[in-house]
Amino acid sequence: EVQLLESGGGLVQPGGSLRLSCAASGFTFSNYAMNWVRQAPGKGLEWVSGISGSGGGTYYADSVKGRLTISRDNSNNMLYLQINNLRAEDTALFYCAKKPGDYDSSGYYFGTDAFDLWGQGTMVTVSS
Amino acid sequence: DIQMTQSPSSLSASVGGRVTITCRTSQSIGKYLNWYQQKVGKAPKLLIYEVSILQSGVPSRFSGSGSGTDFTLTISGLQPEDSATYYCQQSFSTPHLIFGGGTKVEI
Repeated sequence: EVQLLESGGGLVQPGGSLRLSCAASGFTFSNYAMNWVRQAPGKGLEWVSGISGSGGGTYYADSVKGRLTISRDNSNNMLYLQINNLRAEDTALFYCAKKPGDYDSSGYYFGTDAFDLWGQGTMVTVSS
Repeated sequence: DIQMTQSPSSLSASVGGRVTITCRTSQSIGKYLNWYQQKVGKAPKLLIYEVSILQSGVPSRFSGSGSGTDFTLTISGLQPEDSATYYCQQSFSTPHLIFGGGTKVEI
Protein backbone atom coordinates (compact mmCIF):
# COMPACT_ATOMS: atom_id res chain seq x y z
CA GLU A 1 0.00 0.00 0.00
CA VAL A 2 1.23 3.46 -0.88
CA GLN A 3 1.45 5.45 2.34
CA LEU A 4 3.32 7.89 4.53
CA LEU A 5 3.41 7.51 8.30
CA GLU A 6 4.73 10.31 10.50
CA SER A 7 5.98 9.99 14.07
CA GLY A 8 8.06 11.83 16.61
CA GLY A 9 5.73 14.61 17.67
CA GLY A 10 5.04 15.46 21.28
CA LEU A 11 5.03 18.10 24.00
CA VAL A 12 8.24 20.13 24.12
CA GLN A 13 9.29 23.13 26.16
CA PRO A 14 10.15 26.40 24.39
CA GLY A 15 13.74 26.32 23.23
CA GLY A 16 13.74 22.55 22.94
CA SER A 17 14.33 20.35 19.92
CA LEU A 18 12.49 17.56 18.19
CA ARG A 19 13.09 15.21 15.28
CA LEU A 20 10.09 14.19 13.22
CA SER A 21 10.13 11.07 11.07
CA CYS A 22 8.09 9.95 8.08
CA ALA A 23 8.15 6.33 6.91
CA ALA A 24 7.29 5.84 3.25
CA SER A 25 6.06 2.63 1.68
CA GLY A 26 4.56 1.36 -1.56
CA PHE A 27 6.61 3.48 -3.98
CA THR A 28 10.23 4.05 -5.03
CA PHE A 29 11.02 6.63 -2.37
CA SER A 30 14.28 7.93 -3.84
CA ASN A 31 12.56 8.96 -7.09
CA TYR A 32 10.45 11.68 -5.52
CA ALA A 33 10.82 15.03 -3.81
CA MET A 34 9.41 15.10 -0.30
CA ASN A 35 8.13 17.92 1.86
CA TRP A 36 6.89 18.93 5.29
CA VAL A 37 3.69 20.98 5.64
CA ARG A 38 2.36 22.19 8.98
CA GLN A 39 -1.06 23.26 10.21
CA ALA A 40 -1.52 25.17 13.44
CA PRO A 41 -4.68 24.27 15.39
CA GLY A 42 -7.71 25.68 13.59
CA LYS A 43 -5.53 27.36 10.97
CA GLY A 44 -4.51 26.83 7.34
CA LEU A 45 -1.70 24.93 5.66
CA GLU A 46 1.89 26.18 5.58
CA TRP A 47 4.68 24.59 3.54
CA VAL A 48 7.86 24.60 5.65
CA SER A 49 10.48 22.48 3.91
CA GLY A 50 11.27 20.28 0.91
CA ILE A 51 14.04 17.97 -0.27
CA SER A 52 14.99 16.45 -3.60
CA GLY A 53 14.92 12.70 -4.21
CA SER A 54 18.68 12.38 -3.82
CA GLY A 55 18.73 14.63 -0.77
CA GLY A 56 21.14 16.98 -2.52
CA GLY A 57 18.68 19.86 -2.67
CA THR A 58 16.96 21.24 0.43
CA TYR A 59 14.49 24.09 0.67
CA TYR A 60 12.97 26.05 3.55
CA ALA A 61 10.29 28.63 4.14
CA ASP A 62 11.71 31.97 5.26
CA SER A 63 9.65 31.72 8.46
CA VAL A 64 11.63 28.69 9.67
CA LYS A 65 15.00 29.02 7.96
CA GLY A 66 17.88 28.39 10.32
CA ARG A 67 15.87 26.34 12.81
CA LEU A 68 14.76 23.42 10.64
CA THR A 69 16.82 20.76 8.91
CA ILE A 70 15.23 18.36 6.47
CA SER A 71 16.96 15.10 5.54
CA ARG A 72 16.20 11.69 4.13
CA ASP A 73 17.52 8.12 4.25
CA ASN A 74 16.69 6.54 0.93
CA SER A 75 18.03 3.13 1.94
CA ASN A 76 15.35 2.96 4.65
CA ASN A 77 12.63 5.03 2.95
CA MET A 78 12.64 7.63 5.71
CA LEU A 79 12.16 11.40 5.74
CA TYR A 80 13.17 13.53 8.72
CA LEU A 81 12.67 17.04 10.05
CA GLN A 82 14.89 18.34 12.84
CA ILE A 83 13.36 21.36 14.57
CA ASN A 84 15.51 23.39 16.95
CA ASN A 85 14.79 26.31 19.27
CA LEU A 86 11.08 25.47 19.28
CA ARG A 87 8.66 28.35 19.83
CA ALA A 88 5.00 28.44 20.84
CA GLU A 89 4.12 29.39 17.27
CA ASP A 90 5.57 26.09 16.06
CA THR A 91 2.66 24.26 17.70
CA ALA A 92 1.08 22.46 14.77
CA LEU A 93 0.24 19.20 13.09
CA PHE A 94 3.17 18.38 10.82
CA TYR A 95 2.42 16.44 7.63
CA CYS A 96 4.91 14.84 5.30
CA ALA A 97 3.86 15.12 1.68
CA LYS A 98 5.17 13.65 -1.54
CA LYS A 99 5.48 15.35 -4.90
CA PRO A 100 4.96 13.24 -8.06
CA GLY A 101 8.27 14.47 -9.50
CA ASP A 102 11.78 15.46 -8.49
CA TYR A 103 14.43 18.17 -8.76
CA ASP A 104 17.48 17.81 -11.00
CA SER A 105 20.98 18.76 -9.90
CA SER A 106 20.41 22.39 -10.84
CA GLY A 107 17.24 22.62 -8.75
CA TYR A 108 14.80 22.48 -11.67
CA TYR A 109 11.63 20.55 -10.81
CA PHE A 110 10.30 17.97 -13.25
CA GLY A 111 6.72 16.80 -12.93
CA THR A 112 3.40 18.00 -11.59
CA ASP A 113 4.20 20.53 -8.88
CA ALA A 114 1.73 19.54 -6.19
CA PHE A 115 1.48 17.22 -3.20
CA ASP A 116 -0.15 13.98 -4.33
CA LEU A 117 0.31 11.88 -1.19
CA TRP A 118 0.05 12.96 2.45
CA GLY A 119 0.60 11.25 5.77
CA GLN A 120 -1.82 11.52 8.67
CA GLY A 121 0.38 14.01 10.53
CA THR A 122 2.23 14.16 13.84
CA MET A 123 1.37 16.80 16.45
CA VAL A 124 4.01 19.09 17.91
CA THR A 125 3.02 21.11 20.97
CA VAL A 126 5.40 23.72 22.35
CA SER A 127 4.50 24.77 25.86
CA SER A 128 6.07 25.19 29.28
CA ASP B 1 6.25 37.26 -2.31
CA ILE B 2 3.07 36.23 -4.10
CA GLN B 3 -0.02 36.89 -1.98
CA MET B 4 -3.02 34.62 -2.25
CA THR B 5 -6.57 35.64 -1.43
CA GLN B 6 -9.20 32.93 -1.22
CA SER B 7 -12.90 33.74 -0.94
CA PRO B 8 -15.31 33.28 0.62
CA SER B 9 -13.85 32.04 3.90
CA SER B 10 -16.95 29.92 4.44
CA LEU B 11 -20.23 29.08 2.77
CA SER B 12 -23.26 26.89 3.17
CA ALA B 13 -25.02 25.10 0.33
CA SER B 14 -27.59 22.39 -0.27
CA VAL B 15 -27.28 18.87 -1.56
CA GLY B 16 -27.46 18.94 -5.34
CA GLY B 17 -26.46 22.58 -5.49
CA ARG B 18 -23.39 24.27 -6.88
CA VAL B 19 -20.64 26.32 -5.25
CA THR B 20 -17.79 28.40 -6.58
CA ILE B 21 -14.65 29.23 -4.64
CA THR B 22 -12.29 31.93 -5.84
CA CYS B 23 -8.55 32.22 -5.46
CA ARG B 24 -6.78 35.41 -6.48
CA THR B 25 -3.00 35.92 -6.63
CA SER B 26 -1.08 39.18 -6.39
CA GLN B 27 0.77 38.46 -9.62
CA SER B 28 0.28 36.20 -12.61
CA ILE B 29 1.08 32.55 -11.94
CA GLY B 30 0.12 31.10 -15.30
CA LYS B 31 -1.21 27.57 -14.92
CA TYR B 32 0.48 26.86 -11.58
CA LEU B 33 -2.56 26.58 -9.34
CA ASN B 34 -3.71 23.51 -7.42
CA TRP B 35 -6.74 22.74 -5.24
CA TYR B 36 -6.95 20.52 -2.16
CA GLN B 37 -9.81 19.20 -0.04
CA GLN B 38 -9.39 18.67 3.69
CA LYS B 39 -12.09 16.94 5.71
CA VAL B 40 -12.23 17.37 9.47
CA GLY B 41 -9.50 15.39 11.20
CA LYS B 42 -8.00 14.21 7.92
CA ALA B 43 -4.98 15.05 5.79
CA PRO B 44 -5.48 17.23 2.71
CA LYS B 45 -6.19 15.52 -0.58
CA LEU B 46 -5.15 16.79 -4.01
CA LEU B 47 -8.24 17.48 -6.14
CA ILE B 48 -7.06 19.50 -9.11
CA TYR B 49 -3.63 20.49 -10.41
CA GLU B 50 -2.48 22.98 -13.02
CA VAL B 51 -5.78 24.90 -12.82
CA SER B 52 -8.11 22.30 -14.30
CA ILE B 53 -6.67 18.77 -14.37
CA LEU B 54 -8.53 16.38 -12.10
CA GLN B 55 -6.38 14.14 -9.96
CA SER B 56 -7.04 10.45 -10.52
CA GLY B 57 -10.13 9.24 -8.68
CA VAL B 58 -11.64 12.70 -8.12
CA PRO B 59 -15.31 12.90 -9.12
CA SER B 60 -16.13 14.90 -12.23
CA ARG B 61 -18.44 17.22 -10.26
CA PHE B 62 -15.25 19.04 -9.27
CA SER B 63 -13.84 21.43 -11.85
CA GLY B 64 -11.28 24.20 -11.97
CA SER B 65 -10.76 27.15 -14.25
CA GLY B 66 -8.94 30.43 -14.56
CA SER B 67 -5.63 31.87 -15.61
CA GLY B 68 -3.18 34.57 -14.68
CA THR B 69 -4.34 35.85 -11.30
CA ASP B 70 -7.94 34.64 -10.98
CA PHE B 71 -8.96 31.04 -10.46
CA THR B 72 -12.09 29.18 -9.43
CA LEU B 73 -13.02 25.80 -8.03
CA THR B 74 -16.58 24.75 -8.83
CA ILE B 75 -18.41 21.86 -7.23
CA SER B 76 -21.61 20.88 -9.02
CA GLY B 77 -24.24 18.45 -7.79
CA LEU B 78 -23.08 18.82 -4.20
CA GLN B 79 -22.97 15.70 -2.07
CA PRO B 80 -22.92 15.51 1.74
CA GLU B 81 -19.36 14.16 1.60
CA ASP B 82 -18.20 17.40 -0.04
CA SER B 83 -18.35 19.13 3.34
CA ALA B 84 -14.74 20.11 3.88
CA THR B 85 -12.27 22.97 3.78
CA TYR B 86 -10.83 23.69 0.36
CA TYR B 87 -7.41 25.25 -0.20
CA CYS B 88 -5.83 26.68 -3.31
CA GLN B 89 -2.07 26.49 -3.69
CA GLN B 90 0.30 28.18 -6.12
CA SER B 91 3.39 26.38 -7.39
CA PHE B 92 4.72 29.29 -9.46
CA SER B 93 7.21 30.12 -6.72
CA THR B 94 8.38 26.50 -6.40
CA PRO B 95 9.85 25.09 -4.24
CA HIS B 96 7.92 27.51 -2.02
CA LEU B 97 4.38 26.23 -2.55
CA ILE B 98 2.04 28.74 -0.91
CA PHE B 99 -1.51 27.94 0.18
CA GLY B 100 -4.55 30.17 0.26
CA GLY B 101 -6.37 30.72 3.54
CA GLY B 102 -9.03 28.09 2.92
CA THR B 103 -12.78 28.00 2.33
CA LYS B 104 -14.99 25.97 4.64
CA VAL B 105 -17.93 24.43 2.79
CA GLU B 106 -20.90 23.14 4.74
CA ILE B 107 -23.52 21.04 2.99
